[in-house]
Amino acid sequence: EADIYQTPRYLVIGTGKKITLECSQTMGHDKMYWYQQDPGMELHLIHYSYGVNSTEKGDLSSESTVSRIRTEHFPLTLESARPSHTSQYLCASGLAGQETQYFGPGTRLLVL
Amino acid sequence: QKEVEQNSGPLSVPEGAIASLNCTYSDRVSQSFFWYRQYSGKSPELIMSIYSNGDKEDGRFTAQLNKASQYVSLLIRDSQPSDSATYLCAGRGSARQLTFGSGTQLTVLP
Repeated sequence: EADIYQTPRYLVIGTGKKITLECSQTMGHDKMYWYQQDPGMELHLIHYSYGVNSTEKGDLSSESTVSRIRTEHFPLTLESARPSHTSQYLCASGLAGQETQYFGPGTRLLVL
Repeated sequence: QKEVEQNSGPLSVPEGAIASLNCTYSDRVSQSFFWYRQYSGKSPELIMSIYSNGDKEDGRFTAQLNKASQYVSLLIRDSQPSDSATYLCAGRGSARQLTFGSGTQLTVLP
């Protein structure tokens, strides 16, 4: 079982607020990912990282930003939340050289 | 054409039957494929990975990869109501990241 954690699990927030979604893993994985998934829809990759100080944008344009200062930590930040950001955000991680990804429990975000 | 395509279903099978889930992929997807199971409101969990042409079995699950026809399938034998979930097919896409299909919703009827 993967040891990957996300907080908060649920967040309701007003428009214009700055939010940070936390993701941590204790497996020493180099690769980490953020996906966005609307109910019943496919996962869209929004950010990924291959290691410390490495971040890349995914195939879905996002107004969020990420940082990777420590191997185990990959937070996602929205500077000014909007209702269009309402979604589920899933963090995943994996070993370098392998394609298997392990997912965290997700954060459900509702922006009013 | 999407890089990874799945029939969204829903697919319903009676308990004890074989459930067959299919996925096709484009030339922009590599030869590494994964099946994830996602229960409603939960995050995806890995069931199977397959890299080589042919079949790979793990308990009640069998993954099949046919590179010539560019499809990958998942068979679930002796389906149980607890298998009811959305099954996501994923392959390594053109950006060298995993590309996920939209998922097939499976319901196993008791």
